Amino acid sequence: QIQLQQSGPGLVKASQTLSVTCAISGDSVSSSSAAWNWIRQSPSGGLEWLGRAFYRSRWYNEYAESVKSRVNIKPDTSKNQVSLQLNSVTAEDTAVYYCARGYDDSRDSLYHGMDVWGQGTTVTVSS
Amino acid sequence: DIVMTQSPLSLPVTPGEPASISCRSSQSLVHRNGYNYLDWYLQKPGQSPQLLIYLGSNRASGVPDRFSGSISGTDFTLKISRVEAEDVGVYFCMEALQTPFTFGPGTKVDIK
Repeated sequence: QIQLQQSGPGLVKASQTLSVTCAISGDSVSSSSAAWNWIRQSPSGGLEWLGRAFYRSRWYNEYAESVKSRVNIKPDTSKNQVSLQLNSVTAEDTAVYYCARGYDDSRDSLYHGMDVWGQGTTVTVSS
Repeated sequence: DIVMTQSPLSLPVTPGEPASISCRSSQSLVHRNGYNYLDWYLQKPGQSPQLLIYLGSNRASGVPDRFSGSISGTDFTLKISRVEAEDVGVYFCMEALQTPFTFGPGTKVDIK
């Protein structure tokens, strides 16, 4: 059974760096069938995709323009985890942060949704 | 970016009755492989979102067959044939065709 276990500080000071880690069990961060997404949910409830990392013969990253200058999604193959770093945070970055696996089934070569999610990490940016 | 809209935003339901949620995309979600890249997720109270439907009409593993998804152009519909109490929460559609993936605003379903 695939599980994503998130960890990270719940409180970050403004202008500092937010860092959340997603430990993967039951799958490999280097899987050619998976993409590791980071999504956040604002206090008002909306969901925003931040970016993803995936391995297809080499590593790829894609980021939302809204955070592209401040974000880094980094796989760690030695620990089988993927991390999110967001620099220069402000109060607008206060949210629940989720990692989620996007899955492409090799049997039919089709996308099968974001089928596994982490438990979420609540991050509050303080002034 | 693709804009996703949903209606209604709030849906009181009666257990045992059917329910339907609509989602519309600002542009086609048809991939070159012919499939619509549209997901439905349910976020139950206090939980992470969970996948219900992928590629517009395919139920995810373990999802009850009372949930179904349909497609008509850029209009997508999630139907619950007979609502159960455990179905309460917020339902989101999400386009997975191109990054940045975007979500609809969510439809809050609760029991009347």
